Amino acid sequence: QTVVTQEPSFSVSPGGTVTLTCGLSSGSVSTSYYPSWYQQTPGQAPRTLIYRTNTRSSGVPDRFSGSILGNKAALTITGAQADDESDYYCVLYMGSGIALFGGGTKLTVL
Amino acid sequence: EVQLVESGGGLIQPGGSLRLSCAASGFTISSNYMSWVRQAPGKGLEWVSVIYSGGSTYYADSVKGRFTISRDNSKNTLYLQMNSLRGDDTAVYYCATSSPNCNGGSCYGYYFDNWGQGTLVTVSS
Repeated sequence: QTVVTQEPSFSVSPGGTVTLTCGLSSGSVSTSYYPSWYQQTPGQAPRTLIYRTNTRSSGVPDRFSGSILGNKAALTITGAQADDESDYYCVLYMGSGIALFGGGTKLTVL
Repeated sequence: EVQLVESGGGLIQPGGSLRLSCAASGFTISSNYMSWVRQAPGKGLEWVSVIYSGGSTYYADSVKGRFTISRDNSKNTLYLQMNSLRGDDTAVYYCATSSPNCNGGSCYGYYFDNWGQGTLVTVSS
């Protein structure tokens, strides 16, 4: 069974840059999986950040960017701010209508 | 403005049934892909089901055969009929608009676009 992998946790200093990744238990992630990224703070609904690998959703600041790095999808936050402290989830489209979430990365800004 | 309001959650015994609703406004659900995503307490997000604008439906293996996604175009409302509920179905259930990835007229897959606030389903005796 295919699993989408993410770092369980990550920390970044205010103003720093962090790259979160999204991989597959077997195989490489490419643009053909149409990776998307979502931000969620506790008790809130998710917010869409990035879709189709690198397209920012409406209203998302340009310090959030998406890419493919090696064999994984990546979300880079440049100039991290305190309110970026959230859980981040990636989704890969697996075909046949199936979308798979990664386990999420808890980002701490300190 | 797109708005999604889920309802129908609550406490239900194992083996029971529940129907969730997602009332949409600001757009027409029949012209859109629509999904259900859930989140168990303290856990990550899990895709549950999607209905395409053309009516095709797809399900996660964990709910296949037990859950049914549908929509009422006249009410602009999305539904999730959940049968044979189990403890591991306990979660907040979100509905989300799901935009297809289109390029040059051909579309493949989708991403989650707008989200409701969710409704809590607790399966327990």
